[in-house]
Amino acid sequence: GAVVSQHPSRVICKSGTSVKIECRSLDFQATTMFWYRQFPKKSLMLMATSNEGSKATYEQGVEKDKFLINHASLTLSTLTVTSAHPEDSSFYICSAIFPGLAGETQYFGPGTRLLVL
Amino acid sequence: RKEVEQDPGPFNVPEGATVAFNCTYSNSASQSFFWYRQDCRKEPKLLMSVYSSGNEDGRFTAQLNRASQYISLLIRDSKLSDSATYLCVVNLDSSYKLIFGSGTRLLVRP
Repeated sequence: GAVVSQHPSRVICKSGTSVKIECRSLDFQATTMFWYRQFPKKSLMLMATSNEGSKATYEQGVEKDKFLINHASLTLSTLTVTSAHPEDSSFYICSAIFPGLAGETQYFGPGTRLLVL
Repeated sequence: RKEVEQDPGPFNVPEGATVAFNCTYSNSASQSFFWYRQDCRKEPKLLMSVYSSGNEDGRFTAQLNRASQYISLLIRDSKLSDSATYLCVVNLDSSYKLIFGSGTRLLVRP
């Protein structure tokens, strides 16, 4: 079964509005989560590392004031796309480190499709 | 140069065929290597890790050549359900940050 969930699965919004995407770890605590973005026929690009209880670490070229990340609990990280523009339309995927007997594995959420009109 | 490069394909093969994908990575300090599978409009799912000695999981065999910075995935006896995009993924350090290739698309036809 799924170990990471995302909500919503898809969202359509008007240009200039803000959109919040939730990423939840199911039945385990995730001190670190990651946010990726994938454009059509392109690779997943890491946007930021979300750390529970501290500020997110953003990759080069990702605007922290535009993509707000909050990791307020051990099972929830949120990504808010502020003042969304059509070029922000993309597939946003989160992942979480799942601790297991054989070591730690990174599992991905099902993704959120964002369309900005 | 991209950090992880893959042939985008598509590879169009009949059921039962053997198909091989290649991947090269640019950072010689890369520590961990993986193949993920991504179905259309879905999230990537771990197919297998890649170890220096090479490893096999059923019909799938992965190889790593650190000297050439080259990773491969071999799929034997292809099934229709193998149709997907295969992502070569590299981890540079212990931070779990993954670098993805753009993927190789596989189409298995009846």
